[in-house]
Amino acid sequence: AQSVTQPDIHITVSEGASLELRCNYSYGATPYLFWYVQSPGQGLQLLLKYFSGDTLVQGIKGFEAEFKRSQSSFNLRKPSVHWSDAAEYFCAVGATGGYNKLIFGAGTRLAVHP
Amino acid sequence: NAGVTQTPKFQVLKTGQSMTLQCAQDMNHNSMYWYRQDPGMGLRLIYYSASEGTTDKGEVPNGYNVSRLNKREFSLRLESAAPSQTSVYFCASSAQTLLQHFGDGTRLSIL
Repeated sequence: AQSVTQPDIHITVSEGASLELRCNYSYGATPYLFWYVQSPGQGLQLLLKYFSGDTLVQGIKGFEAEFKRSQSSFNLRKPSVHWSDAAEYFCAVGATGGYNKLIFGAGTRLAVHP
Repeated sequence: NAGVTQTPKFQVLKTGQSMTLQCAQDMNHNSMYWYRQDPGMGLRLIYYSASEGTTDKGEVPNGYNVSRLNKREFSLRLESAAPSQTSVYFCASSAQTLLQHFGDGTRLSIL
């Protein structure tokens, strides 16, 4: 069965520090992978997606993610975190066949210290 | 662009009451979805509508019904609300792809 694991429930970083949020997936075929961000009281905004091609994908707000098939991972990175990045981040894998389905991880809540 | 619009944004119900959550999209998308979000569990799919006129169960459909009123609108109904249905509900839509666009959510509390 398809699943997504985000091992870190909460992460705290200092402003200006680098960030890596982990995501591991379980999916039998070539995965379609997504990172979404949710600011407090808001809906989900797409940060970036991987469908095929270059395994390093660039997203909005200075985020990037790298797809590593051998590790079943799709970790999200940012070289220098801003206070406005404090939010909850969700990794998702997309499954086709029948209907277009997204399976979400439990999320990682990011706090940023000044 | 409005995108995906959900109403209401907040609601408090008593156990046993009924309620309909509304969702409308203006992107001419074929597919629409209802999720619930609970702490530590991410988003779980309640129901989806792959196209106008069709609806199907997702991962957690018990206690809910849906109606795809037309291509734009997809409503979620709680016939007899229970405290376990206290959650944040998100509607999403997509074209033929997996790229889903989300509304801002409805925060529902059931006492």
